Amino acid sequence: QSALTQPASVSGSPGQSITISCTGTSSDVGGYNYVSWYQQHPGKAPKLMIYDVSNRPSGVSNRFSGSKSGNTASLTISGLQAEDEADYYCSSYTSSSTPGVFGGGTKLTVL
Amino acid sequence: EVQLVESGGGLIQPGGSLRLSCAASGFTVSSNYMSWVRQAPGKGLEWVSVIYSGGSTYYADSVKGRFTISRDNSKNTLYLQMNSLRAEDTAVYYCARFPGASYYDYWGQGTLVTVSS
Repeated sequence: QSALTQPASVSGSPGQSITISCTGTSSDVGGYNYVSWYQQHPGKAPKLMIYDVSNRPSGVSNRFSGSKSGNTASLTISGLQAEDEADYYCSSYTSSSTPGVFGGGTKLTVL
Repeated sequence: EVQLVESGGGLIQPGGSLRLSCAASGFTVSSNYMSWVRQAPGKGLEWVSVIYSGGSTYYADSVKGRFTISRDNSKNTLYLQMNSLRAEDTAVYYCARFPGASYYDYWGQGTLVTVSS
């Protein structure tokens, strides 16, 4: 069982917006502004999309945005495109001795 | 350009040992936090181990006592020594840079470890 909880799947049509949630506790998501999001296409390594809750690395489309409220972080993808279809994982700093815990992952399907 | 290249994976019998390597370029391994993350077939990402720039190391409970993370500063390379391997260790193993223990910004391409008789 993953430390962070994500929905198993979400879907949306091209051009729409979707939001993926990531729920933790006050010991991880709620306690620190160190939530990150990763995109993974089949057979590929994960790619950092959002760090420190809402920051985008250079080269990541501004269609991707992150936010947090309490113990739940969210990734929003606007203007969905076919190439956004992938698995998405959240991660958070944690006060435990297991840094960088991950969520179980969410499969995004672009209809 | 930052690059991480893993090697050392393969097919190994239960109880056996393997050493994974992660050769880094474009930055200095010893000045950064570095992690190993694995992904079992069809499953999600699982943090395995971290080595901090100061040398402290931490492990997931599932590998504690069996795996050892280390680095060779002269080769700018990260390692994962895996002993007493089990079927449940079968996964693609990724090395990743882990600045400040807050996010993984660069990942290798992964190396597949299959534990089977």
